[in-house]
Amino acid sequence: DTEVTQTPKHLVMGMTNKKSLKCEQHMGHRAMYWYKQKAKKPPELMFVYSYEKLSINESVPSRFSPECPNSSLLNLHLHALQPEDSALYLCASSQGPYNSPLHFGNGTRLTVT
Amino acid sequence: SQQGEEDPQALSIQEGENATMNCSYKTSINNLQWYRQNSGRGLVHLILIRSNEREKHSGRLRVTLDTSKKSSSLLITASRAADTASYFCATDTGRRALTFGSGTRLQVQP
Repeated sequence: DTEVTQTPKHLVMGMTNKKSLKCEQHMGHRAMYWYKQKAKKPPELMFVYSYEKLSINESVPSRFSPECPNSSLLNLHLHALQPEDSALYLCASSQGPYNSPLHFGNGTRLTVT
Repeated sequence: SQQGEEDPQALSIQEGENATMNCSYKTSINNLQWYRQNSGRGLVHLILIRSNEREKHSGRLRVTLDTSKKSSSLLITASRAADTASYFCATDTGRRALTFGSGTRLQVQP
């Protein structure tokens, strides 16, 4: 079992839909991350929040909008996605940014139709 | 962008055999970490080796680091079917979030 919880586990959405992915951790970690992973590829960093502030945006298209309401929660708002955005979206947390192991959730499998 | 490249891309062995995976990276690092990912699941941290360490053990795992060659290896001894997974190295430069290598898919045949 993972200490980082992601919901939903699976999501199918059309290109005109708006949906949100949610991530929660209660380990007191102060850094949270969104990664995108395509099949048989490594995770690719999308966003990093450090102490609830966005510290890294890896030039992600604006149709992905992250939000960190508090130190335990991380959301990823999705709007007007493309079929090529279909992937496994992984949330992770760490005690501090840049220097400690990541704890991953089990991801949301997103399919854009 | 990927910092690390791993080889082999895929490895198939019999239960009880040892499995060795290699990781090469490009820039100087603070530490290197190894993660395991079961199919369709999240990644699980296995072991961290700091830049001033050469070897580290954790149970059946042995990790080596050669900073002069910018390479690391992960050895899993006496493999089990449950070790079947993808294994990723990840480099920590202290300046940005972890960057993952391309991964090795390990299949352990019972």
